[in-house]
Amino acid sequence: GENVEQHPSTLSVQEGDSAVIKCTYSDSASNYFPWYKQELGKGPQLIIDIRSNVGEKKDQRIAVTLNKTAKHFSLHITETQPEDSAVYFCAASITGGGNKLTFGTGTQLKVEL
Amino acid sequence: GAGVSQSPRYKVAKRGQDVALRCDPISGHVSLFWYQQALGQGPEFLTYFQNEAQLDKSGLPSDRFFAERPEGSVSTLKIQRTQQEDSAVYLCASSPRTGTSGNTIYFGEGSWLTVV
Repeated sequence: GENVEQHPSTLSVQEGDSAVIKCTYSDSASNYFPWYKQELGKGPQLIIDIRSNVGEKKDQRIAVTLNKTAKHFSLHITETQPEDSAVYFCAASITGGGNKLTFGTGTQLKVEL
Repeated sequence: GAGVSQSPRYKVAKRGQDVALRCDPISGHVSLFWYQQALGQGPEFLTYFQNEAQLDKSGLPSDRFFAERPEGSVSTLKIQRTQQEDSAVYLCASSPRTGTSGNTIYFGEGSWLTVV
């Protein structure tokens, strides 16, 4: 089955700096890659996603890049703010799998003042 | 409601007790999923429904876990004879369409189960 690895497990940045989280996946058939933000005591919230027919997608301060050849994708957050502090999860799924997502192990992002 | 609703939010069960966790998906959503999230880990897939049909239950850890969605809307995850290793957050999620990868999946806040 699919295996998703995520790095780093913790990331501390200064407010205003950029943060980058990287994920790799094992199954070349995966074609949908969402990113979720999870705050303490809450459920995961989708922040951005990318499909395998595009290489990059941007939404305000958040961007995601996908390299299908290398089977890795990354989340970029620019101009970080304290409210960006949370756990971020990457995930991957395969067409026809009922959207069964395989998640990475998460990155605890801390934005310091 | 506007989002996926789960109840109870918190449940403490004695080892050996049966528990039932309820999920109200977003109205009209065809697909419904259950995930299990252990402390400090990412969510792990348990089972998937398309309307009332349970199409994938490959992630259920044992036959003590049972899920149903009899009318294609509300779903219940039942855990029989709970054990300490069942302690986790149980997340329900729904999606508006079927099958085709890439449909946005919306998660509820989760039901936090602690088995003592």
